[in-house]
Amino acid sequence: AAGVIQSPRHLIKEKRETATLKCYPIPRHDTVYWYQQGPGQDPQFLISFYEKMQSDKGSIPDRFSAQQFSDYHSELNMSSLELGDSALYFCASSLSITDTQYFGPGTRLTVL
Amino acid sequence: AQTVTQSQPEMSVQEAETVTLSCTYDTSESDYYLFWYKQPPSRQMILVIRQEAYKQQNATENRFSVNFQKAAKSFSLKISDSQLGDAAMYFCAYRSAYNNNDMRFGAGTRLTVKP
Repeated sequence: AAGVIQSPRHLIKEKRETATLKCYPIPRHDTVYWYQQGPGQDPQFLISFYEKMQSDKGSIPDRFSAQQFSDYHSELNMSSLELGDSALYFCASSLSITDTQYFGPGTRLTVL
Repeated sequence: AQTVTQSQPEMSVQEAETVTLSCTYDTSESDYYLFWYKQPPSRQMILVIRQEAYKQQNATENRFSVNFQKAAKSFSLKISDSQLGDAAMYFCAYRSAYNNNDMRFGAGTRLTVKP
């Protein structure tokens, strides 16, 4: 079965640079979620989209923005990167009428 | 706000034996969903099992089963016939039926399986 695809899998950036993370949901899934998991921590909800509209916002910094495109893929844009942004970023997707989120493999971002 | 508590930072089990991971949660909502996710060293988040709060019957997926006690707000995961591949971090998660966008995770329990 097709799963959630995230790219890149690993990303290394310098402080103050920008980064773009991409997420391709499971086919027919119209809802996408972004999570940030710091070292030794549980995933924290950042933001979600349903049918290309932002549906909810969690603890996402103002330096971050995201959107969902017409093909339902989503991109998380991160600017003015800080050392503390180093984390594993998960994307998850679900069918709008169900409750189960399926996670992608994550993108490991390292900010030097 | 809903909170999820996993009181066991680490657990260990002998291969082929049974282990139970604990999870409690706090909510004022009557309808919600509970999940167990597994995160192996690869860091992939893998859904293990889910439980709808309105269902009294405990969910089961092969060697994995839950003990859902709604009144006690408890949701433990039992792994039977433990295998080396079960070694991972296990996260308990809560998701409201009224707000599908926000899933709350516990701090996780690291399970070690000894051969």
